Amino acid sequence: AQKVTQAQTEISVVEKEDVTLDCVYETRDTTYYLFWYKQPPSGELVFLIRRNSFDEQNEISGRYSWNFQKSTSSFNFTITASQVVDSAVYFCALSGRYTGANSKLTFGKGITLSVRP
Amino acid sequence: GAGVSQSPSNKVTEKGKDVELRCDPISGHTALYWYRQRLGQGLEFLIYFQGNSAPDKSGLPSDRFSAERTGESVSTLTIQRTQQEDSAVYLCASSRGLAGFPGANVLTFGAGSRLTVL
Repeated sequence: AQKVTQAQTEISVVEKEDVTLDCVYETRDTTYYLFWYKQPPSGELVFLIRRNSFDEQNEISGRYSWNFQKSTSSFNFTITASQVVDSAVYFCALSGRYTGANSKLTFGKGITLSVRP
Repeated sequence: GAGVSQSPSNKVTEKGKDVELRCDPISGHTALYWYRQRLGQGLEFLIYFQGNSAPDKSGLPSDRFSAERTGESVSTLTIQRTQQEDSAVYLCASSRGLAGFPGANVLTFGAGSRLTVL
């Protein structure tokens, strides 16, 4: 069975602070995919990133960066110099397959990030 | 269409009534997923379609829930004899779903249908 744990439930920071959102996953698959989605107050989930289990390179996209470590089964997300617009619920998710059965995403419970001006 | 469209956006119903929720996926997306999100909770998988077939219905919580997809396009989620615990946002997502396509397993979500059962 697949499982995603986001132990932090709510995080509050002041604008311009850096913040890291933790994600730990469990799977028996040797090939799998990890995702982060953002759900702003409007409610619609927005795709942020997908990584496959064979690519452990860290990725940076503007103020966002992701740290994937297979040794600790973690896929953490860091926002540098946070902004009020970053306020949202962030979900980490895991998929066992690229297509077909077991391609569904298993989500963590989400982390509510509040960035105060 | 350009995005995943869901209707209605809001539905208020009385306990015991049946409801139908509709999802129009992105044109050409062969995979379609339904999820449920209760207030303040994560996303709970309900059912997955590849084309018009549903190889994974493991998340449907009871036999009051059913879904179909036609024309490899529109999907309808039906909840019969609604109960108060069915109150949630029902999210639909679609993806390319075919190997060889970049981003085949990247799900694009609709805005959801908020169901309130009184």
